[in-house]
Formats: sequence, C-alpha cells, structure tokens
Amino acid sequence: DTGVSQNPRHKITKRGQNVTFRCDPISEHNRLYWYRQTLGQGPEFLTYFQNEAQLEKSRLLSDRFSAERPKGSFSTLEIQRTEQGDSAMYLCASTQGQINSPLHFGNGTRLTVT
Amino acid sequence: AQRVTQPEKLLSVFKGAPVELKCNYSYSGSPELFWYVQYSRQRLQLLLRHISRESIKGFTADLNKGETSFHLKKPFAQEEDSAMYYCALGMGGSTLGRLYFGRGTQLTVWP
Repeated sequence: DTGVSQNPRHKITKRGQNVTFRCDPISEHNRLYWYRQTLGQGPEFLTYFQNEAQLEKSRLLSDRFSAERPKGSFSTLEIQRTEQGDSAMYLCASTQGQINSPLHFGNGTRLTVT
Repeated sequence: AQRVTQPEKLLSVFKGAPVELKCNYSYSGSPELFWYVQYSRQRLQLLLRHISRESIKGFTADLNKGETSFHLKKPFAQEEDSAMYYCALGMGGSTLGRLYFGRGTQLTVWP
C-alpha cells in the first residue's frame, strides 16, 4: 500500500501522559495536513506543512500540541499532558500541493485518554 | 466565518431509488466544494469536486452559489453506495488542502 500511513492505529493513554503519532505521506507529496475528528463530527483542520515548513496552525491547536516535519517527509504530532477532551481520531492527509490535487487521507490514529 | 452544514445525519433509501444528500455552505469568497466518502473500514477518500464537473460512480453535484448549496445526487442508488459522506469547503489559493467539513451524512441503501 503506497498510500498515507499512520502509526499507531490505536493509542490508549492516561490523562496527563504525553503521546506522539507518526504520519508517512505519499512520497512525492509536499503538503501534509493534520486533522482531528471527534465522534459525530467531520474532520477539523489542525495544521499543515509545505515540505518542512509549518505554514498554518488552527486555533484548535493549543500549546500542548506540537507538530514537526523535520526533513519534509514524515511528520509527528505530539500531545503533551493529555486531557480527556483530546480523545479523538487524528487524521493525516497529503497532497501534491497543486490546484485540483485531492487530499489523500491515512487511516488515522484513534486516541483514547482515560 | 466558513461553515458547512449537512442537515441530515442519517439517510436511508431503497436500491434503485434516487438519493440526494444536502450540503449548504457559508463563505463570502469564491468557494471550492468537495464531497468525500468513507466506506466501512476504509479511509476517507475524495468522491468528487465541483471544479471538475464530473460524474463519479453515478453521483453528480452542482454548485449553486445563489443558494450556497452543493447537493450530491444519484438517480438510482446501489447497495454499495452505503457509506458516510462528507461535504467539504475549501478557499483555494494558498489555503489549498485546508478544508472545512460538514458533520457527515450516513447513507444506507436497502436491498
């Protein structure tokens, strides 16, 4: 499968712990996006990268959240001091960054904070 | 503010019946509209986009700027169309890929 890959698929953690998720985009895609989806809602934009540069962050992304894409390839999303409200599906998507290029989504990482 | 409304959380039709999934948006600029679909146990994937003006799997959607709508239609639903459908709004340009999604409509097509 040469699509967007996300690890882990599921993560259960206790409140207050730190967690890190990884996303490997499609190799020739220079734009990478993180979205969050809670139960009964559509995905909500968190942040995106063009190559290694983080170009935009949503107000949803509190200072407990940090994302990196150090070499313009894979990306990590870290949540520090997790809260129960962070429980959600975290989706990664990538695109070539050209007009009409669709977003390709990964399967997501489901986070449960107990 | 940008917003996408999908009024129906659940929609059920019988096989062969027409289906319409509603989507309304709020945006003062020039919108880009998309429909994404998620089949059971699969990832979210693009179904169609208004700029392409194409029919995918028998589905079409027309952007109506006057009514700020982008409803998804299919004249004869099939069982394999059962899935979650999300309408999404983009603002184009440098914000390419930054989409606002509706909450989704779960379509069930009965045999």
